[in-house]
Amino acid sequence: DAMVIQNPRYQVTQFGKPVTLSCSQTLNHNVMYWYQQKSSQAPKLLFHYYDKDFNNEADTPDNFQSRRPNTSFCFLDIRSPGLGDAAMYLCATSREGLPLNEQYFGPGTRLTVT
Amino acid sequence: DAKTTQPPSMDCAEGRAANLPCNHSTISGNEYVYWYRQIHSQGPQYIIHGLKNNETNEMASLIITEDRKSSTLILPHATLRDTAVYYCIVRVYNQGGKLIFGQGTELSVKP
Repeated sequence: DAMVIQNPRYQVTQFGKPVTLSCSQTLNHNVMYWYQQKSSQAPKLLFHYYDKDFNNEADTPDNFQSRRPNTSFCFLDIRSPGLGDAAMYLCATSREGLPLNEQYFGPGTRLTVT
Repeated sequence: DAKTTQPPSMDCAEGRAANLPCNHSTISGNEYVYWYRQIHSQGPQYIIHGLKNNETNEMASLIITEDRKSSTLILPHATLRDTAVYYCIVRVYNQGGKLIFGQGTELSVKP
């Protein structure tokens, strides 16, 4: 089945140690999103790629970066994780250009910072 | 900021209809209402969306008031597996289609 895959599902990193989360999709969607969801809060958009065009949200910290080497893959890099970056990170995809297609979410990666 | 207001929690008996309200009084004419749900420890899942007409699919029905200032998601026969947080979202279509989540309604379906 076509889907959004996130690896790993659980990631533990040390304070200040760079970490990369990955997302892949078999849906051939042209838009990919990264959301951050802290405990008991709603998901919050960090940035998204529309094809190769990167769109950062105004309040996304510089500590968060993203790469999209091809249509299928997208990475979230946290350069110097702090304790406040512990959260669930959700990847989503959509196919824009068609009328308001819904977003498909992956299962998320839960990041712990020690 | 989210443009919707939802009750923080609701209970529903298994097998009964669950009616989840949402207020979106500042919705613009070209904005759609979307509903997603998030089962514990999973990613959000699309349920349904609508502009001004009522909509129905295999998962739920969406009733939008004539003035479009509020809507209700209806799960006709709730099951225990419908226990989740339900998010009502007004879609900002011209900004890359991003979703701005409010706090949602935590629905508990009880036996």
